[in-house]
Amino acid sequence: DVQLVESGGVVIQPGGSLRLSCAASGFDFNDYRMHWVRQVPGKGLEWVSRISWDGSSIDYADSIKGRFTISRDNSKSSLYLQMNSLRPEDTAFYYCARGGYGSCLDFWGQGTLVTVSS
Amino acid sequence: DIQMTQSPSSLSASVGDSVTITCRASQDINSYLNWYQQKPGTAPNLLIHAASTLQSGVPSRFSGSGSGTDYTLTISSLQPEDFATFYCQQSYSAPNTFGQGTKLEI
Repeated sequence: DVQLVESGGVVIQPGGSLRLSCAASGFDFNDYRMHWVRQVPGKGLEWVSRISWDGSSIDYADSIKGRFTISRDNSKSSLYLQMNSLRPEDTAFYYCARGGYGSCLDFWGQGTLVTVSS
Repeated sequence: DIQMTQSPSSLSASVGDSVTITCRASQDINSYLNWYQQKPGTAPNLLIHAASTLQSGVPSRFSGSGSGTDYTLTISSLQPEDFATFYCQQSYSAPNTFGQGTKLEI
């Protein structure tokens, strides 16, 4: 079965840095584009970033461009999100998701909560 | 960036009813339109991709249609487990924006 497990969410002060991880299993990680999506508790979904199977193509939402960096390690079947210069408005659940047909998000992890607060 | 506008933002219905949710893109997205269902405390779940293709395992009472800028999600004969929040998303171009969501309540 496809599994995506996020980790790394913590309470962190504004201006801090954090790296989220997503461990994938149950499918050939090398073959898929991967995404990060976030959700402020009680609010809607916000697409954050995506990375191609080989890391050669990357896109970001304007709200995090220049502060967050997506990466992957296919040898470890893992996806990452390096988050710098964190702001209170970055507080959210962060989900990793697999890019399916037409770049739909066909499998999601359970999410990890990042809280940016002093 | 492509803006996605969903309507209504909330909807009340009863078991057995049929409901329709609409999603409008700010430009033609060539049917790169996906629908997700999210229940409280859980991750979203893909229902439909490419505007009208039902994801494996999703009940046939869910259907999608549309083209160009206008798309709809229809749920026929609502079941108790269908009450949730629904989101559309365009995957035509980055950023792959979501609609603001439609909360379906009993």
